[in-house]
Amino acid sequence: DGGITQSPKYLFRKEGQNVTLSCEQNLNHDAMYWYRQDPGQGLRLIYYSQIVNDFQKGDIAEGYSVSREKKESFPLTVTSAQKNPTAFYLCASSIDGRGTDTQYFGPGTRLTVL
Amino acid sequence: GENVEQHPSTLSVQEGDSAVIKCTYSDSASNYFPWYKQELGKGPQLIIDIRSNVGEKKDQRIAVTLNKTAKHFSLHITETQPEDSAVYFCAASIIWSNNDMRFGAGTRLTVKP
Repeated sequence: DGGITQSPKYLFRKEGQNVTLSCEQNLNHDAMYWYRQDPGQGLRLIYYSQIVNDFQKGDIAEGYSVSREKKESFPLTVTSAQKNPTAFYLCASSIDGRGTDTQYFGPGTRLTVL
Repeated sequence: GENVEQHPSTLSVQEGDSAVIKCTYSDSASNYFPWYKQELGKGPQLIIDIRSNVGEKKDQRIAVTLNKTAKHFSLHITETQPEDSAVYFCAASIIWSNNDMRFGAGTRLTVKP
């Protein structure tokens, strides 16, 4: 059963703590993305990766970090430097970062900072 | 960079009626326009997309139209059903430039039975 999985579905964090959100895909896609979604707003790009061991900042990368050590995995770390981290985080993937644009999304992780 | 505006932000229709959601974009180089449906607590799911070499695309009760001259595109849902209730997002991007996909703010569609 192919797709994108994100875990956990809900995550609570205390202020000042770093937290890592998981994203895994078994679609054999080269490109992966992280978006942030706030109520009443469209999706905003945090980071993207077009290939293993390479990633680029999106529009709102400050306070976030990523890694892409494996094709299937693109974890996002929300650091204590992110001033307003409470949001719904969406991971997506596409076949590649050059030839096609259809992005497929995971179910999302809702992060709440207490 | 690209800017996508979406209207209306909320839309309520009676079951069986049609629903239309409109988006405008700013970058004339954009040539790929997907529409996503997001149900509560879930990730967006692609429902239809259109590329700039066509003006209209249909898939059963869903259609998308594109006017490149005016830089706007629309989603049309006919014979709406309660299960169509969700938030719909439009997006625009330039093929060969995946990092530049821009999303509209979303339309919350409610279909009343």
